[in-house]
Amino acid sequence: EDQVTQSPEALRLQEGESSSLNCSYTVSGLRGLFWYRQDPGKGPEFLFTLYSAGEEKEKERLKATLTKKESFLHITAPKPEDSATYLCAVHPILRTSGTYKYIFGTGTRLKVLA
Amino acid sequence: DSGVTQTPKHLITATGQRVTLRCSPRSGDLSVYWYQQSLDQGLQFLIQYYNGEERAKGNILERFSAQQFPDLHSELNLSSLELGDSALYFCASSVAHGGRDEQYFGPGTRLTVT
Repeated sequence: EDQVTQSPEALRLQEGESSSLNCSYTVSGLRGLFWYRQDPGKGPEFLFTLYSAGEEKEKERLKATLTKKESFLHITAPKPEDSATYLCAVHPILRTSGTYKYIFGTGTRLKVLA
Repeated sequence: DSGVTQTPKHLITATGQRVTLRCSPRSGDLSVYWYQQSLDQGLQFLIQYYNGEERAKGNILERFSAQQFPDLHSELNLSSLELGDSALYFCASSVAHGGRDEQYFGPGTRLTVT
């Protein structure tokens, strides 16, 4: 069964304390892996798309990487404004049933303390 | 601001009732996606429309239906509402229909069923 698991569920960091969030996935084949940021009560905001193992993308203090089984979102020298829930999503390869799936993880709640 | 609009922002209704949620995609986007987000289940993909046609289906209940109109706005209809349908409902849009496209989310409609 296609599945996405994110860890940790919650993370508290001091400002400037770098860390990584993990997204492990089990799918029959991967069309794309997506990272989103979600602030409380708001819609997710797109961050990155990764398509193949070995791919990396960066944006300001964030860097996303992808292997065949997992993706990491590295946060370098975070600031309080980076506090949010970070969601990982996968889009498995279309199966013979003709149905698509978009599967989201339950997210990592990040709190950065000043 | 993602450019995706959703109305209404809040909706309170009783069990057994029917409601309609509306979504306008970003200018130029042809795909619309609907998601349900509840505290215990995270973000669940419901359905996708591309240029007026149903493109993908997730875990959408038979009591729920959606459509995309010629002007590309979309409506999600929820009927015979139950307490468990209380959730945030998000609409997202993307340029094309494939799974490699990032999705831009609206602000959501908070549905409360009493």
